[in-house]
Amino acid sequence: DTGVSQDPRHKITKRGQNVTFRCDPISEHNRLYWYRQTLGQGPEFLTYFQNEAQLEKSRLLSDRFSAERPKGSFSTLEIQRTEQGDSAMYLCASSFAPRGVVETQYFGPGTRLLVL
Amino acid sequence: TQLLEQSPQFLSIQEGENLTVYCNSSSVFSSLQWYRQEPGEGPVLLVTVVTGGEVKKLKRLTFQFGDARKDSSLHITAAQPGDTGLYLCAGIRGSYIPTFGRGTSLIVHP
Repeated sequence: DTGVSQDPRHKITKRGQNVTFRCDPISEHNRLYWYRQTLGQGPEFLTYFQNEAQLEKSRLLSDRFSAERPKGSFSTLEIQRTEQGDSAMYLCASSFAPRGVVETQYFGPGTRLLVL
Repeated sequence: TQLLEQSPQFLSIQEGENLTVYCNSSSVFSSLQWYRQEPGEGPVLLVTVVTGGEVKKLKRLTFQFGDARKDSSLHITAAQPGDTGLYLCAGIRGSYIPTFGRGTSLIVHP
């Protein structure tokens, strides 16, 4: 399977614990995005990488959230001191768009986080 | 305030019926995308519309971008149970980061 993969698919944690999610994009894609989706809402943008550079972060991304893409390939999203309000589906997407072309983002299956 | 308003929020219909869902905004978008998302999965892109007034067809699905590039509609003809899912519209302005609506949850009963 050469699509976007995310690990784990499900995570249950206790409030105050740290969690880390991984995203493996499609191999030739240089852009990688993280989104959060709660029930009844569409995906909300969190942050975006072009290669290894983190180019944009949403105001939704509090200081407890950090994302990395160290070699421009896979990415990790860490949430420190989790809160119940962090419970959501965390989606990763990747894309490759030549200049002047509207890009297509390919989404992974998501990691569903439940904070107890 | 939601930048993109989708309506209806929920739709439950019988197989064979036609339906239209709407995506409206007060903002102008350079392009607009429609996605379909199944439970427990990520969204999958259906179509991108770029030009005001543009109409695109994908089998039984017809997508239209408003002349002013502020709104869009998705029409499904003769809906089938396999069409069940969450239909999301996403507008792109300037940057390439899409802003998603809340979606229309469609259930098609056999």
